[in-house]
Amino acid sequence: NAGVTQTPKFRVLKTGQSMTLLCAQDMNHEYMYWYRQDPGMGLRLIHYSVGEGTTAKGEVPDGYNVSRLKKQNFLLGLESAAPSQTSVYFCASRDTTGAETQYFGPGTRLLVL
Amino acid sequence: EDKVVQSPLSLVVHEGDTVTLNCSYEVTNFRSLLWYKQEKKAPTFLFMLTSSGIEKKSGRLSSILDKKELFSILNITATQTGDSAVYLCAAYSGAGSYQLTFGKGTKLSVIP
Repeated sequence: NAGVTQTPKFRVLKTGQSMTLLCAQDMNHEYMYWYRQDPGMGLRLIHYSVGEGTTAKGEVPDGYNVSRLKKQNFLLGLESAAPSQTSVYFCASRDTTGAETQYFGPGTRLLVL
Repeated sequence: EDKVVQSPLSLVVHEGDTVTLNCSYEVTNFRSLLWYKQEKKAPTFLFMLTSSGIEKKSGRLSSILDKKELFSILNITATQTGDSAVYLCAAYSGAGSYQLTFGKGTKLSVIP
């Protein structure tokens, strides 16, 4: 039981390049989330999904797209990376019943030059 | 706009001290409040609070929620260097309670 995993762990991009961050969870959770964390800003929600095939915008969605084609995977895409997207990205998942705890992945550090 | 405010933003204490971290919230359709500890990597869950006045405890850590005054506190007694971390407070809000709004965190440094 690996919990929530994220790939890659670290990536350097040039401005204008594209990339996809992958989040996978093996807990059969319905809800999945993508956050970014910047110094002094806490965690801010980018997009989330309440089930396979569904996505919704969070607080800071601009410049990002997401897809949830399979229940266990949630992909975050950057079509044209900008230096302002330099951040640490965390994925999280949550069950719909019982405790409302969100379980976080280890994070992806992204540097856009 | 939903808002979670933590104070202080940073705190330095000596081992053995007791600390109190504060979290106030203004969210629509409040459902629950969560505390996380973050040491370098992913946040790890500490407590979830839904009812006023009921203390949650785990070892030297405890937390309580006041839904009338819209705040929560996290207490750590007999602090140790291993307690050094950023402590995050977050609140669920909204009709579907899908989204967590996070505070900016309190950075706690415990020195020997």
